[in-house]
Parts: sequence; C-alpha cells; structure tokens
Amino acid sequence: DTGVSQDPRHKITKRGQNVTFRCDPISEHNRLYWYRQTLGQGPEFLTYFQNEAQLEKSRLLSDRFSAERPKGSFSTLEIQRTEQGDSAMYLCASSLGTGETQYFGPGTRLLVL
Amino acid sequence: DQQVKQNSPSLSVQEGRISILNCDYTNSMFDYFLWYKKYPAEGPTFLISISSIKDKNEDGRFTVFLNKSAKHLSLHIVPSQPGDSAVYFCAASGNNAGNMLTFGGGTRLMVKP
Repeated sequence: DTGVSQDPRHKITKRGQNVTFRCDPISEHNRLYWYRQTLGQGPEFLTYFQNEAQLEKSRLLSDRFSAERPKGSFSTLEIQRTEQGDSAMYLCASSLGTGETQYFGPGTRLLVL
Repeated sequence: DQQVKQNSPSLSVQEGRISILNCDYTNSMFDYFLWYKKYPAEGPTFLISISSIKDKNEDGRFTVFLNKSAKHLSLHIVPSQPGDSAVYFCAASGNNAGNMLTFGGGTRLMVKP
C-alpha cells in the first residue's frame, strides 16, 4: 500500500495527558498537511510542511500543539495537556508539490475523557 | 465566517438516477476546487477537481461544474450507485503558497437500490 498512513487509528486518553500521532506521507510527496475534523464539520487546516520546514500554522493550532517533520519524511503531531475539546479526527494529507491534489490518510480518532 | 458552504446536509436519490451536490463559496481568491468522498472511519478520498480557468471537468460518472460569477460549483453523479452512498465534501484552495484546503460542511448522499 503506497497511500498515506497514520498511526494510531484510535486513541483514548485522559484529560491532561500528552498524545502523539504519526503520519507517513506518500513517498516523494514533499508537502504534508495536518487537518482536524470534528463531528458534523468538514476538515479544518492546522499546519503544513514543505519538506522539513513548517511553513504555516492555523490559529486553531494553540501552543499546546506541536508538529515536526524531521528529514522531510514522516511527521508527528503532539498535543500536550489534552482537553476534552481536542477530541476530533486528526487527518494527514500529502501532495507532490504546489497546486497538486492532496491525498488523505485514514485519520487518527482522538477521544479525551 | 464559513468561506465554503454546502447547504444541503443530506440528499437521497434512487439508484440509476442523477445525484447533484452543490457547493457555494465566498472567497474570490479561490482558484482550485476539489470534491472528496468520505466513508465512516476513513479519510477523505479524492474524486475530481476543477481549476478556475475551466467551467466543467468530467471523469467517468462524475462531472464537476463551476460557475465563477455565482461562486457556485456542483458535482453530478450519473448514474448513481448504492456504493456512492457516503459524505461528500467540496474544498477550495486559493492563490497562496500553501494551497491549504478550505472545506464545506459536507453532504450525506444516500443512494437507494
């Protein structure tokens, strides 16, 4: 399977705990995006990388959120001190470059109790 | 302010008939539009896209129409099949370096056998 993969697929955590999600993009795709989707809504942009550089962050990405893409391959999204409002589906997408179609992974569903 | 809107939360169509899903946008800087299909517990799957220099793009059973003056696009599925039952999202990107996508809220399509 050469699509975008995400791990874990599901995560249940208690409020205040830290969680980390991983995304492996399609190989040779140099752009990687993170989105968040809550129930009944469309995905909302969080941040994106061009190779290893994080080039833009949404105002939705509070300082409890941090994303990295070391070596321009896989990416991690960490949420510190989780809150119940962080419960959502976290989606990763990758694209070949500027103006190219974004392909999405299966998502990580987070539930904060 | 919702820049991309899908005003119909759901649509029910008989198998073999045409499904028409609509999407409106407000940001005149958007120049690339996409439709994604999403099954429960999966990430969005790319269906079809259209650039603002075109007014129609066709791919098999799927056709997307763009009316720039009305800031409106639609997805036509002909003939509809039960396997098309899913949530459909329209998305738009603008003239920015990141090409991040702005999504509508989705329309749930149900194709009855």
